Amino acid sequence: SQKIEQNSEALNIQEGKTATLTCNYTNYSPAYLQWYRQDPGRGPVFLLLIRENEKEKRKERLKVTFDTTLKQSLFHITASQPADSATYLCALRETGTASKLTFGTGTRLQVTL
Amino acid sequence: NAGVMQNPRHLVRRRGQEARLRCSPMKGHSHVYWYRQLPEEGLKFMVYLQKENIIDESGMPKERFSAEFPKEGPSILRIQQVVRGDSAAYFCASSPGPGRPETQYFGPGTRLLVL
Repeated sequence: SQKIEQNSEALNIQEGKTATLTCNYTNYSPAYLQWYRQDPGRGPVFLLLIRENEKEKRKERLKVTFDTTLKQSLFHITASQPADSATYLCALRETGTASKLTFGTGTRLQVTL
Repeated sequence: NAGVMQNPRHLVRRRGQEARLRCSPMKGHSHVYWYRQLPEEGLKFMVYLQKENIIDESGMPKERFSAEFPKEGPSILRIQQVVRGDSAAYFCASSPGPGRPETQYFGPGTRLLVL
């Protein structure tokens, strides 16, 4: 069966450290994968998109990697800040589908002082 | 630059009533997507629409749910004869269209509570 798995346990890290979140998928052929941030009571906010033929993407303190052999994406936040505390969602679009996104359940990140 | 707008933000209905959720896409966007988020679950795709066309409704329940995106006005997600299991957050997203780029921009959601 098809699955997108993110660590359901909250990730607690200290301010200034690098947070690494994992997204694993099974039985999908993604055209691309996206990462979103969601705060309580709000809609998801787009962060980064990485295509199937890309290995790594960066944007300011954010970095995403995509390994289609391992069927895994890693999302890194360097020099983390308390304001980075939120739930982070990965989502993929399958090759050949009309743009609908399939989401993981998200990982809650808590950055403490 | 208004983002995706959804209303109402909160909606309370009794079992058997109808719920109408509205979504106005970002300016210049002609593609709308509806997702549902149940407590402690991920967002689930429901339907993808362009103006006056349903492109993909593979995530829509077969009964009681319908969606439209008319030539003028917002996209509407309608739930008839609501049941308690329909209680969820419903998010709308919009994009300029596939490939231009593929990013979807989400609204703040409508939280539906069925009593």
